[in-house]
Amino acid sequence: KAGVTQTPRYLIKTRGQQVTLSCSPISGHRSVSWYQQTPGQGLQFLFEYFSETQRNKGNFPGRFSGRQFSNSRSEMNVSTLELGDSALYLCASRQGGSDTQYFGPGTRLTVL
Amino acid sequence: TQLLEQSPQFLSIQEGENLTVYCNSSSVFSSLQWYRQEPGEGPVLLVTVVTGGEVKKLKRLTFQFGDARKDSSLHITAAQPGDTGLYLCAGGGGSNYKLTFGKGTLLTVNP
Repeated sequence: KAGVTQTPRYLIKTRGQQVTLSCSPISGHRSVSWYQQTPGQGLQFLFEYFSETQRNKGNFPGRFSGRQFSNSRSEMNVSTLELGDSALYLCASRQGGSDTQYFGPGTRLTVL
Repeated sequence: TQLLEQSPQFLSIQEGENLTVYCNSSSVFSSLQWYRQEPGEGPVLLVTVVTGGEVKKLKRLTFQFGDARKDSSLHITAAQPGDTGLYLCAGGGGSNYKLTFGKGTLLTVNP
């Protein structure tokens, strides 16, 4: 089976812009979670989608949003980018009923 | 709020040495996963432990889940430069299936 894929791998934006990141889960996995990873805070949970519905949400401002499509692919959007949004954004998929998540390679976002 | 504390935060050792990394919490988890992450890449799952007291071995890596399912350890025997990376523990459980991550242990194995 192909693993979790994320596009793009690298992205440079300026403050105030918005960005959309994409994630394709492992075939058959209906749950997709998003995490932000920074050196200071480590991995922080953003949100989880299951069958096109947001099931869990972390403690991030409303500028961070996401959605999931009927084929389980997911997108994450960040509006009005701030310098502090520079991070590695990771997507993970899992099978329903399992705690084990499989991560993609991440999207490295740099905000200038 | 569930928290996972990992120690040590940084570890630099010579090839051939043994080491242990710890992951502790005051909360009970239904499962605990260990991941290894290399720079610029996503975490790669090493093992999942689900039963209190469970011990799993993966070549030179030994993982143990505490009896009370609140803590875990990762022991590496005869470390090699290829073991270099960020080791993350993550606890799962509860109705929301959200994973809680520790901040990781950055291991450097020098040749």
